[in-house]
Amino acid sequence: DMKVTQMPRYLIKRMGENVLLECGQDMSHETMYWYRQDPGLGLQLIYISYDVDSNSEGDIPKGYRVSRKKREHFSLILDSAKTNQTSVYFCASSLFSEHQDTQYFGPGTRLLVL
Amino acid sequence: AQKVTQTQTSISVMEKTTVTMDCVYETQDSSYFLFWYKQTASGEIVFLIRQDSYKKENATVGHYSLNFQKPKSSIGLIITATQIEDSAVYFCAMRVSNMGYKLTFGTGTSLLVDP
Repeated sequence: DMKVTQMPRYLIKRMGENVLLECGQDMSHETMYWYRQDPGLGLQLIYISYDVDSNSEGDIPKGYRVSRKKREHFSLILDSAKTNQTSVYFCASSLFSEHQDTQYFGPGTRLLVL
Repeated sequence: AQKVTQTQTSISVMEKTTVTMDCVYETQDSSYFLFWYKQTASGEIVFLIRQDSYKKENATVGHYSLNFQKPKSSIGLIITATQIEDSAVYFCAMRVSNMGYKLTFGTGTSLLVDP
């Protein structure tokens, strides 16, 4: 069963605290992504990872960093969270193939920064 | 720079009718891929259908089909015989060949199917 998991599903943090969002996939996909979704803005790409330790910035990387030490696992880290990072964060994965690049999304993590 | 625009914020239709959702894209590249994704009320996001820029035929999957008008940079999603469970937010997205695997999403169209 092809699946992308995210932990935690809900998180409340205070401004200045560090945040770790975790994502896993069981499809051996090379490529993984982190997006944030805000009302009226659709999905915005934060980071993309092409494989272990091969990460690239997306459209809005400022304030975020990522880690990918195993193919099946991709983490998003917020060092010293800010209130404007309150959002819903989605992880996704896909094959590294021109014609098989459908993205499979996780259920999302709802983050509230107070 | 790539851009995807969905001007319809929300649409309401009666069950079993046909609905079309609009999407316009901007790119300077000749090779690109267009996608539609669906986000349900629970937040789940799933892939629906894809159109490759070099293909003339409109893609069709189940009761979803596309109206690809390349000269107008337009990729409409058509849902025939709509069902209540089609109520969701629909996102159009584009990937350009020379930009790796980065997807640019539109802002979404909310579809409500009434019984």
